[in-house]
Amino acid sequence: QSALTQPPSASGSPGQSVTISCTGTSSDVGGYNYVSWYQQHPGKAPKLMIFEISKRPSGVPDRFSGSKSGNTASLTVSGLQAEDEADYYCSSYADSNTVIFGGGTKLTVL
Amino acid sequence: QVQLVHSGAEVKEPGASVKVSCKASGYTFTSYAMHWVRQAPGQRLEWMGWINVGSGNTKYSQKFQGRVTITRDTSASTAYMELSSLRSEDTAVYYCARAGGKWNYDYWGQGTLVTVSS
Repeated sequence: QSALTQPPSASGSPGQSVTISCTGTSSDVGGYNYVSWYQQHPGKAPKLMIFEISKRPSGVPDRFSGSKSGNTASLTVSGLQAEDEADYYCSSYADSNTVIFGGGTKLTVL
Repeated sequence: QVQLVHSGAEVKEPGASVKVSCKASGYTFTSYAMHWVRQAPGQRLEWMGWINVGSGNTKYSQKFQGRVTITRDTSASTAYMELSSLRSEDTAVYYCARAGGKWNYDYWGQGTLVTVSS
């Protein structure tokens, strides 16, 4: 599998919630609890937002939350703010000590 | 504070090799694995491989197997990624990323732009 499947784009108005999906297989997302989400602003390095499906690193607002059901993981951003506009990537541990990333989702705050 | 500092941008001709460095500071270098991820212009993140910094053991993406070599110098707290037989499609920003926990990256370098062009 070349990449986890994410929607190319998502959008919402300030204050609203938006959910981004990340679909894989039983060999990656569905088989392990090691799904992470990264936020990337233009020209910047990615930033870890969620790890191990639903855990937030220190300093990440609790507006960001993660979940998983079967082969699909999800990132929900609640109370959208202008600074949330960025690209979001999921990643997952895959078989044999490898990692796979999603195709990325461009989140637009309307 | 944890920092990962990359070497500077590179321009290479097709068929050449490039070696990118990533100098770590602010933590015990041998206690965390280091991964390499690349991003072609306007494209997604792509995982390349990783090194167990303590043991030196490596694992590579099947896509890059045979062309990529990840090494480290523990005395210099520096990880390296060498990519050979470069082609235009290898033009990308190459990032090192520390595996802070289990298969997630809590710190990233600023990236090194590698341009492959004749």
